Parts: sequence; C-alpha cells; structure tokens
Amino acid sequence: NAGVTQTPKFQVLKTGQSMTLQCAQDMNHNSMYWYRQDPGMGLRLIYYSASEGTTDKGEVPNGYNVSRLNKREFSLRLESAAPSQTSVYFCASSGSQTGELFFGEGSRLTVL
Amino acid sequence: GENVEQHPSTLSVQEGDSAVIKCTYSDSASNYFPWYKQELGKRPQLIIDIRSNVGEKKDQRIAVTLNKTAKHFSLHITETQPEDSAVYFCAASVGGGGGNKLTFGTGTQLKVEL
Repeated sequence: NAGVTQTPKFQVLKTGQSMTLQCAQDMNHNSMYWYRQDPGMGLRLIYYSASEGTTDKGEVPNGYNVSRLNKREFSLRLESAAPSQTSVYFCASSGSQTGELFFGEGSRLTVL
Repeated sequence: GENVEQHPSTLSVQEGDSAVIKCTYSDSASNYFPWYKQELGKRPQLIIDIRSNVGEKKDQRIAVTLNKTAKHFSLHITETQPEDSAVYFCAASVGGGGGNKLTFGTGTQLKVEL
C-alpha cells in the first residue's frame, strides 16, 4: 500500500520554465490537496479538490494551476516558474469520514 | 479566512520534562483541530486531533486541550523523549471531514535534550 506518491522528489528550474508535479493516492480518498512549505511559514494550501471533478483555490493559488485527472490523481502545474516558488511541495489526501490528511513525501523545487 | 497563530516557534526541554505548545485561531466556526508532527526530512503525520464537542483528549503521553470561548488549543507532551524532537504544527478547520480546508500554524521546533 503506497499511500500518497508524488513525483519528482527534486527539481531545479530556471525562471520562466514550466513543470508539473504529479500526485497519486491509492486509498480511495475523495479529497486531495497541494500545500507548500517554507521556513517559518508552516504549510500553506495552494489548491484543493474536495471530490473528483472539483477544484478550489486555497490561500496561495497565484502562479499555479491544478488538474484532478481522476479520483486517484491530482497534478500541480507551474506555467512560468519564479524564484518565489522555490519551496517544498506536499500533496495530501483525505477520506470522507475523518479529517486526517495523508501526505506524500514532498517535492523540493528550486527556481533559479 | 481562518488565521492560526502558534507559539513558541522553538522549544527546548530536558528529557523527561513536559512540553506545551499553544495555538489560537480566529474563525469561531472552526470545529476541528488536529496536530501534526514532522520529523526532519519527513512528511507531516497526524498525532492527535480534537473536535469542538470535547475539551480534552489524551493518547498516552500526548494530550490536547481546547477552549472554544477563548479560541485557543494546546498540545501537551509529558515525559518527553529524544524521539519527540520534531516540528509540530497545529491546524484548524470548519467541518473536519473530507474536503475540509485546514489552516496550519507556523510550527514549533521541539528539541528534547539528553
């Protein structure tokens, strides 16, 4: 049982480049999330998908887009990366009954 | 939207002592308050949560208390051990089921010294 899997684990981009972070969960969860983690800032919600077919903005959505491809997969796209998007990105999922978030291992992104 | 403040940002205790981390929230509609632990280089993991219909919840050496009137909640760790060293995050949301938007505090780096 893999839980939440996200790729890539590490990525270095140049300013203006684009990339997509992939996330998949095998727990049959309805809800999926993308957070970013910066020193001293905690975990901030970028986008979330309460159920398949829906997506909503979180606290810091600017510069990002998401796609809920199916129930298992939720991707995060940076269309034109900026140095301010250097961060560790976590994907998470949760079921309907409890609020517990199950996180992936994280993706460390550096934008030069 | 919800705003969660967490204190202290760093906490150092001697092994065997107790540790207390405090959080306040702004949205009176929030009714779900989890705590996550993140070890160095690892993913955050839920350690305990509390809902607004209870004032206290315990699980072995950890406990969480909630004061809805004052809009604050706290994590208490007793008999601290070196493996308790980690970053702890509090969070709050309305609902607490699937699809809830958790707002996290900024984290507390707990160091348990031998």
